Formats: sequence, structure tokens, C-alpha cells
Amino acid sequence: ETGVTQSPTHLIKTRGQQVTLRCSSQSGHNTVSWYQQALGQGPQFIFQYYREEENGRGNFPPRFSGLQFPNYSSELNVNALELDDSALYLCASSFDSNNSPLHFGNGTRLTVT
Amino acid sequence: QKEVEQNSGPLSVPEGAIASLNCTYSDRGSQSFFWYRQYSGKSPELIMFIYSNGDKEDGRFTAQLNKASQYVSLLIRDSQPSDSATYLCAVNGGSSNTGKLIFGQGTTLQVKP
Repeated sequence: ETGVTQSPTHLIKTRGQQVTLRCSSQSGHNTVSWYQQALGQGPQFIFQYYREEENGRGNFPPRFSGLQFPNYSSELNVNALELDDSALYLCASSFDSNNSPLHFGNGTRLTVT
Repeated sequence: QKEVEQNSGPLSVPEGAIASLNCTYSDRGSQSFFWYRQYSGKSPELIMFIYSNGDKEDGRFTAQLNKASQYVSLLIRDSQPSDSATYLCAVNGGSSNTGKLIFGQGTTLQVKP
């Protein structure tokens, strides 16, 4: 069974740039959720995709956007990067969109300078 | 009031003791509850999940849920130094029921040899 994989592992960007983070869901999972985790904080929900459609969004501006593909992999795009976007970005997959446990990938550490 | 509250700690226990980690939540409609372990610099790892009132045991771990008191806890028996990590409580399925997991800020556990 293949777990959740994220790429890249680390990324350094300059303020104002754009970034795309990628995630492959665990085999058999059709739901992908993205979280942002700042240092010393719990993960914050960005949005969830279920069968290629957005299924809930947290309190993040529109410059955070995403996609889910037919194979259930997903992308997180962030435009006009700000210094406060520096964080660990976590992708998690689950069997359904509601109460199933989330299984996290190893995360992408984004640093904005 | 935060949606999910945890004491940030650190909680320090001697090796072999029972560690008790606590979490309260504000949304009375919440339906599922999760505990994740996160080592420094790593992503969260699912430890336990519980949906019904009462206790659920898995090896050295016991999750306890009291919906009337909006309280969930995690007991770790025979604590080992390798259990030293941050433990995140997460709650799902509240009023919005969009699959959004709300995390507490985590409790840091230190198990001393």
C-alpha cells in the first residue's frame, strides 16, 4: 500500500512569487485535504477536495487555490507569496470526505524570503 | 474560546508511568475525534480515533470520549522515551460537517528515562 507522498520536500521562494505543491493520495483514498502548519501551532485547514471538486474551505484568501485530478492526486497553488506563508504544508488523504481518519504525507517546508 | 483546546505543556513523566493528555472542544455537534503524534520536524501520525462515548484501547494507548462534557483524552501506559513528541487532538464533523479537521495546538510530552 502506497502512502501519501508530497513534493517537493523543501522550497525557498521570494515574496510575490507563485508556488505549486503536489500530493499523491494513498491508494484507495478519494479525498485530499491541505493544511498549513506554522511553527508551534496545530495544522490549519486550507481546503478539501473530494472527487475533483472543492468540498470545504478554511479561512484562507483566494490566492490559495487547488486542484484534484482524476487519479485523486492534488495540487496546492499559492500566488503572490507573503512572508507569513512560510510554513509546513501538509497534504492528507482519506477514504471519504467526512469522518474517516486523515493520513498525512511528509509535508513541504516552504520558506518565503 | 478556541474550537479545540489543549494544554501546550510540556508534560513531563518518568519512563514507565502513565501519561494523560487532555483536549476540550467547543462544537457540540462534533462526531469524530482523533489523536495524532508529531515528532519535531515531521508530519502528524495517526495514533487513535474514537467516535462513541467511552474508552477505546489499542496497545498502550487508550482514547476516552465524553461528549456531554465535550472532552477527549489520550492515555499512554508504560510511557517510553520514544513517546516524547507533540500530541495533537483533532475534531471533525461538527455543524459544518465538511470533513474539516480542527486541530488543537498540541501538547508536548517529555518522557524521562
